[in-house]
Amino acid sequence: DVKVTQSSRYLVKRTGEKVFLECVQDMDHENMFWYRQDPGLGLRLIYFSYDVKMKEKGDIPEGYSVSREKKERFSLILESASTNQTSMYLCASISSGTAGDGYTFGSGTRLTVV
Amino acid sequence: GDSVTQMEGPVTLSEEAFLTINCTYTATGYPSLFWYVQYPGEGLQLLLKATKADDKGSNKGFEATYRKETTSFHLEKGSVQVSDSAVYFCALSLYSSASKIIFGSGTRLSIRP
Repeated sequence: DVKVTQSSRYLVKRTGEKVFLECVQDMDHENMFWYRQDPGLGLRLIYFSYDVKMKEKGDIPEGYSVSREKKERFSLILESASTNQTSMYLCASISSGTAGDGYTFGSGTRLTVV
Repeated sequence: GDSVTQMEGPVTLSEEAFLTINCTYTATGYPSLFWYVQYPGEGLQLLLKATKADDKGSNKGFEATYRKETTSFHLEKGSVQVSDSAVYFCALSLYSSASKIIFGSGTRLSIRP
């Protein structure tokens, strides 16, 4: 069964810490995405990557960066965590040219910044 | 720009009731349309999809028909169960957009026993 795996389900970090959220897919997908989900705001795209070492900003990239050194792994980095980054973070992937197939999502990481 | 609008929740129904969650879209091209479901504490799962006009997607008793003339993709189920309680997201994708998917805001569904 195809999978997108997020390394942590729950994470608690302190304000100012550098935080790494990891996402790994085993489907050889070119495209990977990071979203955050907040009540009343739906899913908002933070960053996406369409190839190794390639990245593009989504709708809300401020305060975040990403890294894609290998095809299967896409990391989201909170350079200096703040309380307003407390949220559910969702990773997704899809193969190029298969937009009709839909994304495969990970189970999510619920991050709390205190 | 491209967008998805779905009915606001929460929606509360009794078990075995008929469900409709409305979804309309705006797109410049010919999108594929999706319904995703998110169970409590989980990520999103693809529930069903349709890739062209008049296609009907179906899964787990849920159905949705791609209506180009009304730009709609309403989700329906004839008899809901308590286990259907979840958040449902309507979404579209355009092949021209690097496979990006645009999501609606989600509709929370609660089913009473």
